[in-house]
Amino acid sequence: GIQVEQSPPDLILQEGANSTLRCNFSDSVNNLQWFHQNPWGQLINLFYIPSGTKQNGRLSATTVATERYSLLYISSSQTTDSGVYFCAASRGSNYKLTFGKGTLLTVNP
Amino acid sequence: ETGVTQSPTHLIKTRGQQVTLRCSSQSGHNTVSWYQQALGQGPQFIFQYYREEENGRGNFPPRFSGLQFPNYSSELNVNALELDDSALYLCASSRGQGGDIQYFGAGTRLSVL
Repeated sequence: GIQVEQSPPDLILQEGANSTLRCNFSDSVNNLQWFHQNPWGQLINLFYIPSGTKQNGRLSATTVATERYSLLYISSSQTTDSGVYFCAASRGSNYKLTFGKGTLLTVNP
Repeated sequence: ETGVTQSPTHLIKTRGQQVTLRCSSQSGHNTVSWYQQALGQGPQFIFQYYREEENGRGNFPPRFSGLQFPNYSSELNVNALELDDSALYLCASSRGQGGDIQYFGAGTRLSVL
């Protein structure tokens, strides 16, 4: 099945800093989603982005499908951005999302 | 708010017992997927139900089973609980199979003692 790798595993920032999270995947995909998991375990959808670029406020994402990677950009980070960010992908008629191991983001005041 | 609800939120069981977790899908969605998330790991796919039929299964033993009802809500049943079954169980609903967006519930945290 598809392999998903995320980097970095951990990231510590000061409030106001910008960051880039990366997701590499091993094969072509028809679904790629970025999630933020809050401390209570809820997975919050950030982007559905199997290809192209999207922006939502301070967050944006780009997926380059031909090169099999996706990037999540967080600008002007806030303490509420802290948590684990997951990338997940599926391919073809395969129904399951395969998750990376996540990036633990800590934003300090 | 994803419109996907799970119950209960927390559960404590002892080894060997059986447990049933429930999930109500978002309105208009006919597919439910279940995932297990161990501490410090990413979610792992258990199985998916599409229009009341199992539509695929991950690497989990047969003591993990499920159902989907005509209103597309779903249950996850785990028999003969083991200590390693302690995890956050997440349910996701989507409009179809394959590449459709999956929306997750808040999860059920299961502790097996």
